[in-house]
Amino acid sequence: AQTVTQSQPEMSVQEAETVTLSCTYDTSESDYYLFWYKQPPSRQMILVIRQEAYKQQNATENRFSVNFQKAAKSFSLKISDSQLGDAAMYFCAYRSANKGAQKLVFGQGTRLTINP
Amino acid sequence: GAGVSQTPSNKVTEKGKYVELRCDPISGHTALYWYRQSLGQGPEFLIYFQGTGAADDSGLPNDRFFAVRPEGSVSTLKIQRTERGDSAVYLCASSLTGTVFYEQYFGPGTRLTVT
Repeated sequence: AQTVTQSQPEMSVQEAETVTLSCTYDTSESDYYLFWYKQPPSRQMILVIRQEAYKQQNATENRFSVNFQKAAKSFSLKISDSQLGDAAMYFCAYRSANKGAQKLVFGQGTRLTINP
Repeated sequence: GAGVSQTPSNKVTEKGKYVELRCDPISGHTALYWYRQSLGQGPEFLIYFQGTGAADDSGLPNDRFFAVRPEGSVSTLKIQRTERGDSAVYLCASSLTGTVFYEQYFGPGTRLTVT
């Protein structure tokens, strides 16, 4: 079974600065997808960014980028120019590329605080 | 357009009672997922529907939990003989199909409290 580990329960950053959230995962599969989700107090999970394991290039979405290290099974999220609206819980998630495996496997989450 | 909606937003029930939690997916989405999020944890998969059928129910913790999607749209998660350990936020998500290429869109969840 796949597992996802987020070792930072809480992180804080000054507004406009850069912060990196860590995530490691364990799998025996070679083809899979990784995601970062944001969960504000409203509880609604919002997709931030996704990475296909077969792609060597790191995904980027505006101020959000990832550092995907397949051999190390590491998938960190970098948030540049942090904004107050970035404050939320962030979850790393894994999804198999196996056609029959549709579920997301989530880490424990990291609470991100933005200091004005 | 409208997103995934879940009702009720909050539900308080007594230990031993029966509860139903409802999920309205995005119109046209054939895949529907239920997850459970305990306090301070990430969501855990419960069940996945493709159309009307449960394609994967491996996450249901025991036979007190059951879910249906009779017309391939709205889904109901049913919990019998509730226990205090069932207290959690129950999240529903839907996607266009079940393939990984399509994003799972989440609803705001139902917070269930068992007293």
